[in-house]
Amino acid sequence: SQTIHQWPATLVQPVGSPLSLECTVEGTSNPNLYWYRQAAGRGLQLLFYSVGIGQISSEVPQNLSASRPQDRQFILSSKKLLLSDSGFYLCAWTSGVGTDTQYFGPGTRLTVL
Amino acid sequence: GNSVTQMEGPVTLSEEAFLTINCTYTATGYPSLFWYVQYPGEGLQLLLKATKADDKGSNKGFEATYRKETTSFHLEKGSVQVSDSAVYFCALRGTTDSWGKLQFGAGTQVVVTP
Repeated sequence: SQTIHQWPATLVQPVGSPLSLECTVEGTSNPNLYWYRQAAGRGLQLLFYSVGIGQISSEVPQNLSASRPQDRQFILSSKKLLLSDSGFYLCAWTSGVGTDTQYFGPGTRLTVL
Repeated sequence: GNSVTQMEGPVTLSEEAFLTINCTYTATGYPSLFWYVQYPGEGLQLLLKATKADDKGSNKGFEATYRKETTSFHLEKGSVQVSDSAVYFCALRGTTDSWGKLQFGAGTQVVVTP
């Protein structure tokens, strides 16, 4: 069966520091991968998605970037965090062959102070 | 573009009460529709889905029917439990979203009291 992992689970970082969040999927090949952010008390905002290694599409301009160095690995990064980057970051995947359902990871709670 | 509108929360209910969360959408063609649930501090879990008009998705006592004529996908449960306290998200995948992107509603928080 497929599983999706995210780490770290929680993170507290000072403003201006770098960021690296990791997401990995097991049990599937060539998944579509997605990064979402959920600000406190708000809905989900799609940040990036990827349909293959090295292929990244950005949905909104921001302080963040994403990379996909391996088929089942998706990384969210920032060179300098802003206070507004605080939130709950969720990674998700689909099978990439027309399947509708997205499956989500457990999330990373990021607090920027 | 595609959009999803959910009723605002929080919705507060007593245990064993009937729950309805309204969801309407705007999209061309026949999108796929989903309800996800998020328990406190966790990621989202798929609750149910429907991929064509008049389909009914159901899971864990929850039901939602894909109504093309009213562009709606309302979530219902006949008797809620305290463990149903969570945030519920309605979402759609449009027919032109070839990369599987989902459009989410803002979420509705449900609080069930004993």
